Amino acid sequence: DVKVTQSSRYLVKRTGEKVFLECVQDMDHENMFWYRQDPGLGLRLIYFSYDVKMKEKGDIPEGYSVSREKKERFSLILESASTNQTSMYLCASSFREAGELFFGEGSRLTVL
Amino acid sequence: AQSVTQPDIHITVSEGASLELRCNYSYGATPYLFWYVQSPGQGLQLLLKYFSGDTLVQGIKGFEAEFKRSQSSFNLRKPSVHWSDAAEYFCAVGRGGATNKLIFGTGTLLAVQP
Repeated sequence: DVKVTQSSRYLVKRTGEKVFLECVQDMDHENMFWYRQDPGLGLRLIYFSYDVKMKEKGDIPEGYSVSREKKERFSLILESASTNQTSMYLCASSFREAGELFFGEGSRLTVL
Repeated sequence: AQSVTQPDIHITVSEGASLELRCNYSYGATPYLFWYVQSPGQGLQLLLKYFSGDTLVQGIKGFEAEFKRSQSSFNLRKPSVHWSDAAEYFCAVGRGGATNKLIFGTGTLLAVQP
């Protein structure tokens, strides 16, 4: 069974903290994605990666960075968390040209 | 710019009734279109997709969708809704002709009355 695992379902952090959200997939997918989900705004793409050590900005990359040192792992980093980054974060993966994204269950981040 | 519009934020239907969720897209060429479902507390799951060919596509869980180029629409339908269909539904289009870099709509939350 295919699986995308996000390490933390719920996190509470303070303003200014550095936050790491981890995502691991076991399907040998080339592509990995980080989306942010907010009520009334749907899903917005933060960053994606086509291969190890490769990354491209999505629609809302400001305030975020990513790391992909291994094919199966894609990390989202908030260098200095702010309250407007309180949100649900969804990781997804796919084969290079395939049409289906596989999603993790999400990480709900609250920044106080 | 490409976009996806889901005009209905929230829909309530009775169990056993038919369902249609609306989706409109903007894209000059033939789009790649998707419907995903998100059950409470879960990630998104693909229901169905349209790439080319037959404009009526069948998906999982008894859902279907019809691509209508003239209306720039890709509406999702189900003839008889079950209580387990209560979830949020997202329409998406592949950006720039890509099949996996998606632009999502804002979602439609479906409630099912007994």
